[in-house]
Amino acid sequence: EVQLVESGGGLVQPGGSLRLSCAASGFTFSSYWMHWVRQAPGKGLVWVSRINSDGSSTSYADSVKGRFTISRDNAKNTLYLQMNSLRAEDTAVYYCARDPPVWGKGTTVTVSS
Amino acid sequence: QLVLTQSPSASASLGASVKLTCTLSSGHSSYAIAWHQQQPEKGPRYLMKLNSDGSHSKGDGIPDRFSGSSSGAERYLTISSLQSEDEADYYCQTWGTGHWVFGGGTKLTVL
Repeated sequence: EVQLVESGGGLVQPGGSLRLSCAASGFTFSSYWMHWVRQAPGKGLVWVSRINSDGSSTSYADSVKGRFTISRDNAKNTLYLQMNSLRAEDTAVYYCARDPPVWGKGTTVTVSS
Repeated sequence: QLVLTQSPSASASLGASVKLTCTLSSGHSSYAIAWHQQQPEKGPRYLMKLNSDGSHSKGDGIPDRFSGSSSGAERYLTISSLQSEDEADYYCQTWGTGHWVFGGGTKLTVL
């Protein structure tokens, strides 16, 4: 069964850092581009970042550029999102997703003092 | 600029059919899209990829009640024989240059 399981969310103060992980199983992880998508409370889905299959190319939404870093470890079948300089507006459920789309269940990040 | 536009809400009766619309911005009418369903308090679920010619490929386990079609810059999701569990938010998504673009979502209410 194809599965994506996110972890690493939590409560963090403004200006703090957090690293999200996404463990993949049931497919050849190293063959697929991967994305992070977030959803603020009561709002729609917003694309955050993307990485290609071997990790050599990345892309970011303007709202997180320079603060977030996407990476992957194909040997561990794991996708990461390093989030620095967090702001209140980064509060959201963060989903990892494969392309073509398969979704994880999400992990919640709350940025608050 | 690549933009997807969806109506914020739609409603239909139990057992009826409903057609949701996603409109691609000018100059992007050839783009394929994907439809995703998000039931209350759950993560998104991939429904299908829909091409500009109306051909579509559904995700694993998606019932035949869900179908897609296209006309020009518009992409449609039709749900027939509506069931209570179809009450959800529906998002269209497309592929930009190395990134995804989402529509604002349509909240479907089953009456």
